[in-house]
Amino acid sequence: LAKTTQPISMDSYEGQEVNITCSHNNIATNDYITWYQQFPSQGPRFIIQGYKTKVTNEVASLFIPADRKSSTLSLPRVSLSDTAVYYCLVGDTGFQKLVFGTGTRLLVSP
Amino acid sequence: DVKVTQSSRYLVKRTGEKVFLECVQDMDHENMFWYRQDPGLGLRLIYFSYDVKMKEKGDIPEGYSVSREKKERFSLILESASTNQTSMYLCASSLNPGSQETQYFGPGTRLLVL
Repeated sequence: LAKTTQPISMDSYEGQEVNITCSHNNIATNDYITWYQQFPSQGPRFIIQGYKTKVTNEVASLFIPADRKSSTLSLPRVSLSDTAVYYCLVGDTGFQKLVFGTGTRLLVSP
Repeated sequence: DVKVTQSSRYLVKRTGEKVFLECVQDMDHENMFWYRQDPGLGLRLIYFSYDVKMKEKGDIPEGYSVSREKKERFSLILESASTNQTSMYLCASSLNPGSQETQYFGPGTRLLVL
């Protein structure tokens, strides 16, 4: 599985756009990039997944450059309730373990 | 909506006790997983199962065993609880194999071993 590297923590204010970048230099051809969000005292939940270019859903956008060695999760106009830990993962269709790592702790302040 | 439930939110046990953590999913998912989460270490996979009566070791299986007698239920067993097994335990399920498949998590069980 490709190893991912992401910042340990980030701070933001309400209403700002937050971009969390994840590095995955050894990503394989068949790997997808997936982001999960975890609130305190809850299990992680799926946010978004992509393979290349840009993916957008009602929660976030995911930008993946052509070389796919990194990806950026973009949260538009964050609110206090976006305070959480965000995990970046890569993996493919093979039955492999999902490796969560330590994630990025985002703190949104008023 | 997929629902994954865990038998307890909080559990306090004594060293040496046998501990059962139960997980049930209601979406007919093939795959089920047990993780533990500790500060600074993220989520670590203990065991997973891709079919009834099938199990595979994850990264940290020592001191744990699992049971999957029915498709919807996956149990984690601590044969003889120790203080270093104090942790948050998270169960998850997914429809298909493949690490790109969305995993649905339960709310977690916070276990304290005294």
